[in-house]
Amino acid sequence: DVKVTQSSRYLVKRTGEKVFLECVQDMDHENMFWYRQDPGLGLRLIYFSYDVKMKEKGDIPEGYSVSREKKERFSLILESASTNQTSMYLCASSDIRNQPQHFGDGTRLSIL
Amino acid sequence: RKEVEQDPGPFNVPEGATVAFNCTYSNSASQSFFWYRQDCRKEPKLLMSVYSSGNEDGRFTAQLNRASQYISLLIRDSKLSDSATYLCVVHKGSRDDKIIFGKGTRLHILP
Repeated sequence: DVKVTQSSRYLVKRTGEKVFLECVQDMDHENMFWYRQDPGLGLRLIYFSYDVKMKEKGDIPEGYSVSREKKERFSLILESASTNQTSMYLCASSDIRNQPQHFGDGTRLSIL
Repeated sequence: RKEVEQDPGPFNVPEGATVAFNCTYSNSASQSFFWYRQDCRKEPKLLMSVYSSGNEDGRFTAQLNRASQYISLLIRDSKLSDSATYLCVVHKGSRDDKIIFGKGTRLHILP
């Protein structure tokens, strides 16, 4: 079974802090994704990566950056956290681009 | 027209009943289709892929209608544990395209 592990289930930070969310997958998948999910808005793609050191902007990249130094790890960075970034963050990975994505448990992030 | 549209619900259905919901997609070039299930405060999990010929997995049946550009999910003999949000997922199929998630349909199975 694919295992996608996110570093924290719950996280509380303050506005202006730099926040790191880590995601690791154990299936040697090429593709990794970061989403946020908010009530009524569904899943929104923040950034994705199809290879090591490669990243592409999703639909809502503003205020975020990512890092993929190793194939199994994809990090999401909130450069200067703001209250409107309070959300559920979900990491996913897939083997082939048009195949199902496997999700981590999610990180519920609160920015105070 | 939105890329992927679902009725948000909620669908309130008595236990044991059959329920079906659809998902429409706008791009006729779409090639891959999936249904995911998401429980409250949990991550989405793949329920089933949707094949052109339709497919069945126990009480669940998924169908694709390319002419009208929608996929459907039918749940027979519904159980309390089927209560969840069901997400429709569509991919155009070419290498550079992203997967598109619908916002989901909420299903409540009533005892």
